Amino acid sequence: QVQLVESGGGVVQPGGSLRLSCAASGFTFSSYGMHWVRQAPGKGLEWVAFIRYDGSNKYYADSVKGRFTISRDNSKNTLYLQMNSLRAEDTAVYYCAKDVGLEWLLLDFDYWGQGTLVTVSS
Amino acid sequence: DIQMTQSPSSVSASVGDRVTITCRASQGISSWLAWYQQKPGKAPKLLIYAASSLQSGVPSRFSSSGSGTDFTLTISSLQPEDFATYYCQQANSFPPVTFGQGTKLEIK
Repeated sequence: QVQLVESGGGVVQPGGSLRLSCAASGFTFSSYGMHWVRQAPGKGLEWVAFIRYDGSNKYYADSVKGRFTISRDNSKNTLYLQMNSLRAEDTAVYYCAKDVGLEWLLLDFDYWGQGTLVTVSS
Repeated sequence: DIQMTQSPSSVSASVGDRVTITCRASQGISSWLAWYQQKPGKAPKLLIYAASSLQSGVPSRFSSSGSGTDFTLTISSLQPEDFATYYCQQANSFPPVTFGQGTKLEIK
């Protein structure tokens, strides 16, 4: 069965950095685009970033552009999110999510990880 | 960016009731709309994609319709496990993907 397991969350000071990981199993990871979606405490869902199945294209929300970097290692079935210059407003649960499209972008998220909490606070 | 607006923001209903949630896009998105269910402390779950296609394993009491700018999610007969927050999401214009603000379905 498909599993996505995030790790790397924690407490970080404003201006600090953190790298999140998402370990994938149960499907051909190298054939699917992957997303990061976040949810601030008590708030709704916000899309953060997308990477194409082969890593050739990456897209970001304006709120994180220039500060966050999405990447993947298909040999390790792992998705990453490098977060730099963190701000209080980046505090959220971060989910990795699988796009439904096989080597295509369809923008529906059929599997999600359990989420990892990032808290930006001094 | 396309803005997605859900109504109501919250609704109270009883087991067995029929409930409808509305989602409106700020511009036409054809049928590129998905619905998700989220329970407290859990990840969202895909219910419906392409405006009206039921995701595998989702009970048939969930249905959705609409195209262009106006969409509805209907739960025909509420079950105890349906009490959750529901989000619509447009898949027409990217980046970014945008979600509605959520509708919390509570027990009356």
